[in-house]
Formats: sequence, C-alpha cells, structure tokens
Amino acid sequence: AQKVTQAQTEISVVEKEDVTLDCVYETRDTTYYLFWYKQPPSGELVFLIRRNSFDEQNEISGRYSWNFQKSTSSFNFTITASQVVDSAVYFCALSEAVSNTGKLIFGQGTTLQVKP
Amino acid sequence: EAGVAQSPRYKIIEKRQSVAFWCNPISGHATLYWYQQILGQGPKLLIQFQNNGVVDDSQLPKDRFSAERLKGVDSTLKIQPAKLEDSAVYLCASSLSTGPETQYFGPGTRLLVL
Repeated sequence: AQKVTQAQTEISVVEKEDVTLDCVYETRDTTYYLFWYKQPPSGELVFLIRRNSFDEQNEISGRYSWNFQKSTSSFNFTITASQVVDSAVYFCALSEAVSNTGKLIFGQGTTLQVKP
Repeated sequence: EAGVAQSPRYKIIEKRQSVAFWCNPISGHATLYWYQQILGQGPKLLIQFQNNGVVDDSQLPKDRFSAERLKGVDSTLKIQPAKLEDSAVYLCASSLSTGPETQYFGPGTRLLVL
C-alpha cells in the first residue's frame, strides 16, 4: 500500500537558519513520482518540485534543495537561510505510475514557522 | 496565465443543508481533481475527471456527495445533506492530462458545517 509519512508535525526556526523537512514514502511500484507542495496561510497549494523514481540526482533551486534516496525511501527538503516568508505548511506527495491516474497521496504535512 | 479558480472561498451552513462548490481549471487542462483537506491533514482525493468522464471516484461518499463536469471544463461539487464531519477545505486542482502530470491547485473553499 502507498503511504507518505512526514514525522515532523511542527518546526520552528529563527530567520537565516537552515531547516530540513523529512519525507518517507512506501510504495510497491517501481515507477513513481514524488512531489513537494507549499501551503501558505492563504490556503492554496503551491507546486515546488516533481521527481521520478529513476532520477536520484539531488536538485537545488535557489535556497531550496531536495535529497532523494531510494535506499531509504526518503525525499527530504532543505531550505537554506530561511526567511519569514517561508512560513507555511509543506506537503510531500506520492503518485504511482501503475494506476496511471496521477492520484496524489499526501503526507500529513509539516508546519514551518520562521521567526524574525 | 490564469490559475485554477474556485468559488465561494468560504461557506458556513447548518447540518443537513446542501452546498455547492465551483471550479474552473487552467485553460487547456483536461484533468480535474477535487480534494478534501480536513484540518491538520493532507488533502485526500475525492474524485478525478478526464474531460467530462470520471476516472476515479472511489473515495467519494456517494450517498451525499456528487460532482459533475458536463462540458469538460468547469466542475461543480455538491454535498447534500451536509454533516458536521464535512467541515474541511475543498481543493480543486487541474493538470494537462492523467498520469503523473503536475497538478496545480486553486485557493480552496473553506466549509464550516454547524
């Protein structure tokens, strides 16, 4: 069965600190896709990144970076030099290719609070 | 390019009343999703359309929830009659097609059932 676990419910950091949000997933499919979304207080889910299971290269986009490790079924997200605007709920999600529907299975989310 | 539009943004009703939500996807997106997000949880898929056909409605409580996408563009999600546990944010998303395409979300409708 597919499942996404975000064990950190809430994280609080001071501005300019680095912070890592953990994501562990379970799937029996060999082809799958992993996503991160940001949900600010306004409520809209904002797409951050999509990775497929065959591409384990880490990715960096500005202050954001992602570490994908199939050996530990993890897809962690790091924000470097955090800013107050990074305060939001962050969701990790899984989509299995076998269903071919694109259905997203979300984790519970991690609430990040960045204090000035 | 305009994003996914949803209305209303907020709705308060009493239990046993009915309510409807509207969604307009990104232009050209064939696939439309409705998710339910209960406070403190991740979104859960209710129903998925490809054009005007249903792809997946396995988690839709069909005794009270219904949805349609008659012309393959806009969609309406209805709850009748509403229960207290239906209080949640209802998110609409769209993607170019089915499969592992990136889904883009609207701002959601916050429903409170009293």
